[in-house]
Amino acid sequence: AQTVTQSQPEMSVQEAETVTLSCTYDTSESDYYLFWYKQPPSRQMILVIRQEAYKQQNATENRFSVNFQKAAKSFSLKISDSQLGDAAMYFCALRGSQGNLIFGKGTKLSVKP
Amino acid sequence: DVKVTQSSRYLVKRTGEKVFLECVQDMDHENMFWYRQDPGLGLRLIYFSYDVKMKEKGDIPEGYSVSREKKERFSLILESASTNQTSMYLCASSYQPLYEQYFGPGTRLTVT
Repeated sequence: AQTVTQSQPEMSVQEAETVTLSCTYDTSESDYYLFWYKQPPSRQMILVIRQEAYKQQNATENRFSVNFQKAAKSFSLKISDSQLGDAAMYFCALRGSQGNLIFGKGTKLSVKP
Repeated sequence: DVKVTQSSRYLVKRTGEKVFLECVQDMDHENMFWYRQDPGLGLRLIYFSYDVKMKEKGDIPEGYSVSREKKERFSLILESASTNQTSMYLCASSYQPLYEQYFGPGTRLTVT
């Protein structure tokens, strides 16, 4: 079975500082994709960043980057220079064998001014 | 930009009613998905579809059915709504399974 685990239900960060959200996963597939999605309060879920398992280089999108540790099956998200608009639920997701997404339970990130 | 729309943001229904949740995407995507989102449980897949008139069960299909008569539209049906189906329902679409999924705004359904 494929699973995704986010062990931090809530996190808090000071504006302009850096925060790391944790995610571990389990899959028996050799080729897979991992995603971080952001869901702001009462707003649509949007893709933050994605990582192909066959790529060794960690994905980066502006202030967002991942630390992909394939052997450890770890996929953490780092947000640098945190902004008030980063406050949201963050979901880690693994692409399932049928093209669906398998989500973790989410981490609620608060940003303090 | 890809646009995924859902027919209602908020819906209140009575136990036993038949409920239709509609989802429309405007990017000619092959794949469409229905998820249910509950606090502390994340998102769970109810049904998905790879093509018109095709449907596949997800992790929690019990109590739900779907319809995909046209490529752009994917409907979720609660044949007889129950209080344990009170939840946020999210629709998503993608061009191919490997591609990212685009989500609709969600429908918050309350069954009383």
